[in-house]
Amino acid sequence: DQQVKQNSPSLSVQEGRISILNCDYTNSMFDYFLWYKKYPAEGPTFLISISSIKDKNEDGRFTVFLNKSAKHLSLHIVPSQPGDSAVYFCAALNQAGTALIFGKGTTLSVSS
Amino acid sequence: EAGVAQSPRYKIIEKRQSVAFWCNPISGHATLYWYQQILGQGPKLLIQFQNNGVVDDSQLPKDRFSAERLKGVDSTLKIQPAKLEDSAVYLCASSLGLRDIEAFFGQGTRLTVV
Repeated sequence: DQQVKQNSPSLSVQEGRISILNCDYTNSMFDYFLWYKKYPAEGPTFLISISSIKDKNEDGRFTVFLNKSAKHLSLHIVPSQPGDSAVYFCAALNQAGTALIFGKGTTLSVSS
Repeated sequence: EAGVAQSPRYKIIEKRQSVAFWCNPISGHATLYWYQQILGQGPKLLIQFQNNGVVDDSQLPKDRFSAERLKGVDSTLKIQPAKLEDSAVYLCASSLGLRDIEAFFGQGTRLTVV
């Protein structure tokens, strides 16, 4: 039973354009969401997070939007750069607030 | 600041053999996690420690997997005996405290069971 779903395994975008990565969740009790980025042969690194009391959080080129009624969040990268090519994982903090539940990831490829 | 250290980076074993992985978290981080990432999946939590105590091991297959963090610093994860389906990357992560949401991950150990 997947509680955090990333339904697009891959996304290809041209340099300079916007990348939009989507994530859906099933448990309305989740109250914190994070995005991690992972390069090959490295561990995931934290990118950006959002609390359920907000609907938007921005950090430089990265913005996360949260739609609680739809149980949906998205990560926007503007402008996309070739160095952004990686696997992006959406994660939710479990109900105990102690550990992360990850989606399967979306592989982003940004071409120059 | 040194990151989370894991060893070995790669391991190939035959099924029914045993294997152990080691993790040294970031200095001062009280919470340590072991995640299993099977190819094509997201990381799945196996066990979580707060200092040397277990917080959550509900998804740890306890008939074959064990983990310890005896002195509340580094940790070992053991599989005995290994099965083919244990082939995965085993990721160790640490965070400052139990409710510190940002976890820092090591590079992982890629295990192949043949």
